[in-house]
Amino acid sequence: EVQLVESGGGLVQPGESLRLSCVASGFTFSSYWMHWVRQAPGKGLVWVSRLNSDGSSTSYADSVKGRFTISRDNAKNTLYLQMNSLRAEDTAVYYCARTNAYCSGGTCYRPNAFDFWGQGTMVTVSS
Amino acid sequence: QSALTQPASVSGSPGQSITISCTGTSSDVGSYNLVSWYQQYPGKAPKLMIYEGSKRPSGVSNRFSGSKSGNTASLTISGLQAEDEADYYCYSYTGSSSLVFGGGTKLTVL
Repeated sequence: EVQLVESGGGLVQPGESLRLSCVASGFTFSSYWMHWVRQAPGKGLVWVSRLNSDGSSTSYADSVKGRFTISRDNAKNTLYLQMNSLRAEDTAVYYCARTNAYCSGGTCYRPNAFDFWGQGTMVTVSS
Repeated sequence: QSALTQPASVSGSPGQSITISCTGTSSDVGSYNLVSWYQQYPGKAPKLMIYEGSKRPSGVSNRFSGSKSGNTASLTISGLQAEDEADYYCYSYTGSSSLVFGGGTKLTVL
């Protein structure tokens, strides 16, 4: 059974840092692209960042670029999100999610669908 | 990267069918048949309901179906049930490094 379990959320003041973790099990973690997606209270899903399977390629939403860093430890089956210079607008539930690939005719399209999600961890930025 | 456009809310009575639209552009929905749909209950994680436009993961009811016409993808729920009341989000592959979900649609079962 695929499982993604986030941790590390909490209450921090503006300007502080926090590191989120997501421990994966039930699948070959090192074969999948992984993502962080957040959801502010009462709002929709917002993609934050993604990391390819071997950790060599990242991308970020403009709103977090330069402040957040995504990384992974494939030996520990763990995805991380280092969040620095936190702002009130970063307050949200943070989900880690796995995406699969669609491959056809020798070409693979990634990321395809977000096929498994963790339960989320709440981050509150407030003074 | 613009968000995919979904209606804020839809409603239907038990047993009816409803359709939720997801409008993109020729760069995303229109170019690839790689739209996915997610169901989310309050306080819970999203769940994949439809992928690659019309495919259902194992365990998802066949009352849920997906389709596409031009730059608009659609999620149809037939035989509406009270348990279908939730928020629904779409996502489309774009080839861009920046990913975007639809704004979400709240489904109310009357």
